[in-house]
Parts: sequence; structure tokens; C-alpha cells
Amino acid sequence: QVQLVESGGGVVQPGRSLRLSCAASGFTFSSYGMHWVRQAPGKGLEWVAIIWYDGSKEYYADSVKGRFTISRDNSKNTLYLQMNSLRAEDTAVYYCATYGDYAVWYWGQGTLVTVSS
Amino acid sequence: QSALTQPASVSGSPGQAITISCTGTSSDVGGYNYVSWYQQHPGKAPKLMIYEVSNRPSGVSNRFSGSKSGNTASLTISGLQAEDDADYYCSSYTSSSTYVFGTGTKVTVL
Repeated sequence: QVQLVESGGGVVQPGRSLRLSCAASGFTFSSYGMHWVRQAPGKGLEWVAIIWYDGSKEYYADSVKGRFTISRDNSKNTLYLQMNSLRAEDTAVYYCATYGDYAVWYWGQGTLVTVSS
Repeated sequence: QSALTQPASVSGSPGQAITISCTGTSSDVGGYNYVSWYQQHPGKAPKLMIYEVSNRPSGVSNRFSGSKSGNTASLTISGLQAEDDADYYCSSYTSSSTYVFGTGTKVTVL
């Protein structure tokens, strides 16, 4: 079955960088677009970014554009999110998820990023 | 990219039907038949319940149904059950090729 395992979360100071990874298994990773979605503690879901199955296109939420970069390595079945210039408001659980039919299909369990001095 | 508007809470008794609304604009909900709905229990990852306005993924109960009129989409849960007690979020594709989620609705089964 589809399995998505995020890693790389932790505590980071404002202005610093962090890279999240998402290891995928149970499906043909190179055939599917992928999303990152985040959820601040006690708050709702916020869509972050999407990347095409072949990495040819990427789109971002305005709140992270210019600071975050989504990428993938299809040879390693892994999705990434490079987060630069982190702010307190970026504190959230970050989920990686599969794309299909203009929806977010399968979700990982998330990794917590805390931006604090 | 403003969040889609949902009621903060909706409640119903077991066996009843409830409807959750999701209001956007002509640049998202009203412009495309690409509205999806997600269920999230506390401490768990969200689960896709409806895609493309009214389609159910395999394994999702037919008690869940979706519809859309103009800039407002709706999720109806019929025959409410205790396990339906959860948070629900709508989402839509947008004219910027991005996605936006709703503000979320807490469903309480009385």
C-alpha cells in the first residue's frame, strides 16, 4: 500500500534553513505529482506546494513563494522541501501527499517544524 | 489565495443528515469542478473523502456526498454516525494553478 514517511523536522531559529524529506513506497513514485501541505498547531490545513511527476513544473502558495523550494529525486523515490528564511509563522506539521484528479490523495503522518529562538 | 469559507462548527444527532458549506470565488470553487473534501480526526493525517465535487474514492462510505452551486460547494453526511465526529476541510484548485483549503468545520455528533 502507499506509504509516505516524512523526516527532517525539528526546532530551528528564525531566518535559518531546513530541508524536509518524504520517502515514498508502495506505488510508482515517478508517475505521480506530489504536494506539501502544512498545519500550524491547533489550526487548519494550508496548501504549500506541488511538483509535477517529472519535476517539470512547480507551484507555490504566496506565503512561501521565494523562500521554499519543492523538488524530487525519482531515482530515490523521495520528495523534498527546502525551507529558507524561516519565520515563526512557518511552525507547523508538514505533510507530504500524492496528487491525483486535482486532489490530495494519500498523506504521510507529518513532521513537525518549530521555528523559535 | 484567501482560505475558502466554511462554518466553524456543525452538529447533529446520530442518524441525521448534516451539510457543510464551502464558499469561494469564481477563481477557485466557481471556476472549476475541482473541489475536494477531507476528514481529519485528532492527531491523525487527513483523509480524502470526495474529489472533483462529487466523486468518492474507493472505500469511502456512500453516506458522504458532494455538490456545488456557483461559488459554493457542499458536503453532506447522511445517517450521521459517532465515527463521523471529526474536522472537515474543503479544497479547490485555483486559476493560479495552486490549491486552497477551507477554514475547516468541526462536526460534532451529539
